[in-house]
Amino acid sequence: KAGVTQTPRYLIKTRGQQVTLSCSPISGHRSVSWYQQTPGQGLQFLFEYFSETQRNKGNFPGRFSGRQFSNSRSEMNVSTLELGDSALYLCASQTQASSYEQYFGPGTRLTVT
Amino acid sequence: QQQVKQSPQSLIVQKGGISIINCAYENTAFDYFPWYQQFPGKGPALLIAIRPDVSEKKEGRFTISFNKSAKQFSLHIMDSQPGDSATYFCAASSDNRKLIWGLGTSLAVNP
Repeated sequence: KAGVTQTPRYLIKTRGQQVTLSCSPISGHRSVSWYQQTPGQGLQFLFEYFSETQRNKGNFPGRFSGRQFSNSRSEMNVSTLELGDSALYLCASQTQASSYEQYFGPGTRLTVT
Repeated sequence: QQQVKQSPQSLIVQKGGISIINCAYENTAFDYFPWYQQFPGKGPALLIAIRPDVSEKKEGRFTISFNKSAKQFSLHIMDSQPGDSATYFCAASSDNRKLIWGLGTSLAVNP
């Protein structure tokens, strides 16, 4: 089985712009979670989607949003980028909603200048 | 408020030695405690996990020790190898809810 794929792998944006990141889960997995990883804060949970519905949400501002499509692929969007949004954004695939076992993609490295 | 506290932040071990990473949690409702391993440029990968009904779980050179009364759990890597050099994260969860993560331990195993 192919693993979790994330595109793009690297991204450089300017403060104030917006960005969309994409995640394709493992085939058959219906749930996707997004995390922000920074050296000082570790992995911070952004949100989880299952069957196109957001099931859980972390403590991030409304500039961070996501969605899931009928084929389980997910996107996250960050509007009005700030320098502090520079991070590795990880997508995790799960067989079902809030499943304990999560399978991570390689992440998208976002740099905001 | 960090619900899962991980220590040490970094660790250097000689090849063949034992690496020990500790985590402490606060929420007694947690019922699932995984450890993830992350190599540079990769996402975290599930290494081993334990539930509170057992005190120890071993998979190859990796062992989780769990102390429910102390609300602590630890990862032991026996016969540490240079290929084990990575960042290790502990996490905890309850009722199939989101994982709460420790801040990670950077392990370097010297050859």
